[in-house]
Amino acid sequence: EIMLTQSPGALSLSPGQRATLLCRASQSITNYLAWYQQKPGRAPRLLIYGASSRATGIPDRFTGSGSGTDFTLTIRTLEPEDSAVYYCQHYGLSPTGTFGLGTKVEIK
Amino acid sequence: EVQLLESGGDLVQPGGSLRLSCAASGFTFSTYAMSWVRQAPGKGLEWVSGISGSDGNTYYADSVKGRFTISRDNFNDILSLQMRSLRVEDTAIYYCVKENYYDSRRFDSWGQGILVTVSS
Repeated sequence: EIMLTQSPGALSLSPGQRATLLCRASQSITNYLAWYQQKPGRAPRLLIYGASSRATGIPDRFTGSGSGTDFTLTIRTLEPEDSAVYYCQHYGLSPTGTFGLGTKVEIK
Repeated sequence: EVQLLESGGDLVQPGGSLRLSCAASGFTFSTYAMSWVRQAPGKGLEWVSGISGSDGNTYYADSVKGRFTISRDNFNDILSLQMRSLRVEDTAIYYCVKENYYDSRRFDSWGQGILVTVSS
């Protein structure tokens, strides 16, 4: 079973700063990686799929990159509304859809 | 607009049963695979079960295999999850999720979630 490790566990940044979130897979998943954003009390929302494609309506300050085992979600110019937990997930290669444990982003 | 509305959540004793439903609208339900994803209180996301669109193939996480049954009614656009032999660790918010047409287990749209509490 493919495992996903996210780091760091939490980030505390100021508005306007850049956030860099990492996701490492235990084996190659080519580009079958998605990122989701979950705000408190809300359902998750798809941000990025195919490692680097933004989902419909996602602002371009969210950028995904990487392939194989190492992936990055970058949020440039943080805004207060970006406070959330961000999960990476691999899909498409097996019947299951494993999530990472998440990175909590706090905007100071 | 895709809408997914879960129902059936409740407080149930360990060993009990519960059936969740999800009413789907805004898309051609029968052509899309669907899944249930859960989130225990204060924890991360866990994929629970999935079902393909037309042929009805089903898939389960090891944690629920043999206890949960996923099904769909393509005539009434309803996704269901029958849960039996419930355990305290099944306590979670359960999300009904629409998968991407081309990529299995890529979750494009989510319901608002429904709470299942297993406690004595």
